Amino acid sequence: AQSVTQPDIHITVSEGASLELRCNYSYGATPYLFWYVQSPGQGLQLLLKYFSGDTLVQGIKGFEAEFKRSQSSFNLRKPSVHWSDAAEYFCAGSPGGGADGLTFGKGTHLIIQP
Amino acid sequence: GAGVSQSPSNKVTEKGKDVELRCDPISGHTALYWYRQSLGQGLEFLIYFQGNSAPDKSGLPSDRFSAERTGGSVSTLTIQRTQQEDSAVYLCASSFGNPPDTQYFGPGTRLTVL
Repeated sequence: AQSVTQPDIHITVSEGASLELRCNYSYGATPYLFWYVQSPGQGLQLLLKYFSGDTLVQGIKGFEAEFKRSQSSFNLRKPSVHWSDAAEYFCAGSPGGGADGLTFGKGTHLIIQP
Repeated sequence: GAGVSQSPSNKVTEKGKDVELRCDPISGHTALYWYRQSLGQGLEFLIYFQGNSAPDKSGLPSDRFSAERTGGSVSTLTIQRTQQEDSAVYLCASSFGNPPDTQYFGPGTRLTVL
């Protein structure tokens, strides 16, 4: 079955420190992969996406993610977090072609320590 | 330009009543999706429209749930005989193209069934 797994429910990072949020996928072929962020009471905002090509993708707000086929991973990174990055982060995938509903991970709640 | 809009933003209803949730996609977006977000289940795909047709209804949890889309634009998600387990945030997303590309989400409707 197709699935997206985010192993970390909560992550606490100090402001200014680097961040890596983990995402693993299970699909028969290379899926479309996405990272979304959700702030309290808000909808989902797209950070970045991977369809094909360059495995390192850049997104908004200084985020990047790397697609690693050998590890079935699509981890999200940021070199230096800001207090405003505190939010819920969701990794999502679809089998490809785009005409599919997204399968979401359970989310990682990011807490920023001053 | 305007994003995806949903109404109402909050809905409180009594068990057994019917509810209608509305989604206005981004202008020109041909694909429309409904998702449900709840504490227990996370983010679940419900249904996908391409134009006015729904090629994928696989995520609808029961026959109490139905959705329609008219004029290739506005969509309504109807829940009949609501149950307490239907309490959740219902998110709508839209996307451009066939096959569609990235999904852009609305702010959601928070449904509470008493």
